[in-house]
Amino acid sequence: DAGVTQSPTHLIKTRGQQVTLRCSPKSGHDTVSWYQQALGQGPQFIFQYYEEEERQRGNFPDRFSGHQYPNYSSELNVNALLLGDSALYLCASSLASIRTEAFFGQGTRLTVV
Amino acid sequence: EDQVTQSPEALRLQEGESSSLNCSYTVSGLRGLFWYRQDPGKGPEFLFTLYSAGEEKEKERLKATLTKKESFLHITAPKPEDSATYLCAVQADSGGYQKVTFGIGTKLQVIP
Repeated sequence: DAGVTQSPTHLIKTRGQQVTLRCSPKSGHDTVSWYQQALGQGPQFIFQYYEEEERQRGNFPDRFSGHQYPNYSSELNVNALLLGDSALYLCASSLASIRTEAFFGQGTRLTVV
Repeated sequence: EDQVTQSPEALRLQEGESSSLNCSYTVSGLRGLFWYRQDPGKGPEFLFTLYSAGEEKEKERLKATLTKKESFLHITAPKPEDSATYLCAVQADSGGYQKVTFGIGTKLQVIP
């Protein structure tokens, strides 16, 4: 049973560019959440997708957007990259029920230069 | 606003020296509390979910407990391979959805 997979594992972008990160959820899961984790910090919630719609969003600007496909896979897009966007981006999948834990992928390390 | 505070931020133990990590929280409508382990540069690995005060769960050398205001992760006779950052997260009601808030983590180092 494949867990949560993310691609790419590492990425270097230039300030002002745009980036797309991808996530395939754990088999049987229908909800995908994205987190940003700066060095030495806990994960910060970006947004959550369920039934191909963004249903919850954290305190992140509109430069951060996403998408969920019918097969539940998801993308995170970041426009107009800033140096401060450098972080580990984590995808977590879960089931859309009240009592459910989330399982995380290995993350994508984004470096903005 | 939901808050999760973990202490200590860093902990150094000798192999075999038992200790506890603390996670205190302030949330409205707690639905669950999660413990994760995170190795450097990797995604968090799920350890436990606790749903109600008084609940306890164990896995190998780890035991998690929950009260109405905090959770403890007890580590018994730790080994060097237990070295990692341990993250606590709470799931709470938020406008009809369940919002997850993480603490900053406790970085544990176990010395042989």
